[in-house]
Amino acid sequence: TQLLEQSPQFLSIQEGENLTVYCNSSSVFSSLQWYRQEPGEGPVLLVTVVTGGEVKKLKRLTFQFGDARKDSSLHITAAQPGDTGLYLCAASRGSQGNLIFGKGTKLSVKP
Amino acid sequence: NAGVMQNPRHLVRRRGQEARLRCSPMKGHSHVYWYRQLPEEGLKFMVYLQKENIIDESGMPKERFSAEFPKEGPSILRIQQVVRGDSAAYFCASSPLYDQLYTEAFFGQGTRLTVV
Repeated sequence: TQLLEQSPQFLSIQEGENLTVYCNSSSVFSSLQWYRQEPGEGPVLLVTVVTGGEVKKLKRLTFQFGDARKDSSLHITAAQPGDTGLYLCAASRGSQGNLIFGKGTKLSVKP
Repeated sequence: NAGVMQNPRHLVRRRGQEARLRCSPMKGHSHVYWYRQLPEEGLKFMVYLQKENIIDESGMPKERFSAEFPKEGPSILRIQQVVRGDSAAYFCASSPLYDQLYTEAFFGQGTRLTVV
């Protein structure tokens, strides 16, 4: 059973479009993180959300943590080819000292 | 400020050989994590170490795999008698402080192991 379900698995859009990807779970987490991974590279941390209902913005990226701390979304406004990559969500159960990852959403933004 | 350094970036081993993967955490970080990423799979936690201590190895296969983080030097993930199924990308991550609320990990570029 996958603890973190990400959707969609694949997303191919044109430059300038908006998109939202989701990370869902039936478990409650103390925090949730979003990473972006490019081919042949390691994941790069984008944001950590901790409080239920929290919204964080990073330029054109908006991250939201669900009120119940079970789910999260990432919204990208006016996507650019440089946004292409694998977007991973990861969650911590706090004291366990490790992260649980979803399988990711593979985003392709065409010029 | 150098990030997490892993070497080698690529490693080819024949079945039955040993693979040694190295990881130097970010400066000031004393917690190291190893993850494995298989094609079409997510990142899977393997082991969490602090200096000279294994804190959590619940994700490590019971046989052939071991990890250490000595007082001096990098963390090492060792795979003995490799098999084709060990082919994967192995990522190391480090964090500065074991926080009771959450763990924030910074990843290296990975070692891509190919077993032929």
